[in-house]
Amino acid sequence: EAGVAQSPRYKIIEKRQSVAFWCNPISGHATLYWYQQILGQGPKLLIQFQNNGVVDDSQLPKDRFSAERLKGVDSTLKIQPAKLEDSAVYLCASSLDRSSGNTIYFGEGSWLTVV
Amino acid sequence: AQSVTQLDSQVPVFEEAPVELRCNYSSSVSVYLFWYVQYPNQGLQLLLKYLSGSTLVESINGFEAEFNKSQTSFHLRKPSVHISDTAEYFCAVIVTGGFKTIFGAGTRLFVKA
Repeated sequence: EAGVAQSPRYKIIEKRQSVAFWCNPISGHATLYWYQQILGQGPKLLIQFQNNGVVDDSQLPKDRFSAERLKGVDSTLKIQPAKLEDSAVYLCASSLDRSSGNTIYFGEGSWLTVV
Repeated sequence: AQSVTQLDSQVPVFEEAPVELRCNYSSSVSVYLFWYVQYPNQGLQLLLKYLSGSTLVESINGFEAEFNKSQTSFHLRKPSVHISDTAEYFCAVIVTGGFKTIFGAGTRLFVKA
């Protein structure tokens, strides 16, 4: 089965510019996650969708970050304007549903460098 | 709120030696526990998980972890490591019935020939 697809894999932008990341989860997975992984730290949840509804966005910096999952499948994460501290790997992941015992499947990540 | 502490940021070890990667969690309620592995230039993938039943869980590539409720630990062990085990290992916890998985900071295992 195809895994979680993300693009672009790498992006370098200047501060105050904008960037968007795209994610296609595993077919049939209702739950989609965006994580931020800063170098030397573990993944931190930014936002979680159940189908096309937001379940948790408590750690999403809403003044600059936005995410959507319009048809309950693909998702886009946008940063505008970017700051230097946004340099990180943005991981998209999906799971069958929200059940706490489910395995989370991760994409390879989108590496963002803000200069 | 729950939290996860991985006590070692890096663990260098020689090939065929045993290894233990330590993980402690904090939670006032029952939890599920996971170990994920990230090989170089790849995404995180599940290594093993504890949901219920036997406190000792195993992976297909020889790793095992034991849930110790009294010590709130879920240490990962392998009796003999290979070069191919070089990767970053993340311990994770979620409250039973909850929806938010919390990850530790990771332990980088470096296996030397």
